[in-house]
Amino acid sequence: QQQVKQSPQSLIVQKGGISIINCAYENTAFDYFPWYQQFPGKGPALLIAIRPDVSEKKEGRFTISFNKSAKQFSLHIMDSQPGDSATYFCAATETDSWGKLQFGAGTQVVVTP
Amino acid sequence: DTAVSQTPKYLVTQMGNDKSIKCEQNLGHDTMYWYKQDSKKFLKIMFSYNNKELIINETVPNRFSPKSPDKAHLNLHINSLELGDSAVYFCASSQDRIRYTGELFFGEGSRLTVL
Repeated sequence: QQQVKQSPQSLIVQKGGISIINCAYENTAFDYFPWYQQFPGKGPALLIAIRPDVSEKKEGRFTISFNKSAKQFSLHIMDSQPGDSATYFCAATETDSWGKLQFGAGTQVVVTP
Repeated sequence: DTAVSQTPKYLVTQMGNDKSIKCEQNLGHDTMYWYKQDSKKFLKIMFSYNNKELIINETVPNRFSPKSPDKAHLNLHINSLELGDSAVYFCASSQDRIRYTGELFFGEGSRLTVL
């Protein structure tokens, strides 16, 4: 069973718009929440990550919001660009898990010109 | 200079055959992984090795056998291939336990198609 639920499955956004992807988890032992970006034919690559001691982390146009009590976290892509068109995966893990990431199902983002 | 490289990139084979995928990383990392991405793009861990020692074995059928000759290499051998084995297999590495760097470095994947 999937331990991390991700939505939406896909989204289309206009250039300059905001893309929002949401994830939820149940396991309170999770203490590290990365987002990976995957382009067609490539492997996933770390985009941004957060630990539950902060509620928000921003890197450039990408922001993670984290709500520990609700066990939810989300990725916001501001000023979306066509080059952001990719599949985005949220994930969660425990820091003693030797890289055993539990991935969400992925969100395919298409940014139209 | 590719950090995590896998070969072959594409594999097409018949049911019942045996095949291998090779992976090498030049990042000096201690831990390597195999992840499977199914047709719906869902990613799931299969194995993890740390310094040639098996750390994670995620209830994968015995037909799948990883081998790590040294900490820079992790190969995956699959016996008696089945239709359901069709997927993209990703090799990845990390510096040590994920607590230190928090990042897995993935290869470009090996797409296996079983006919």
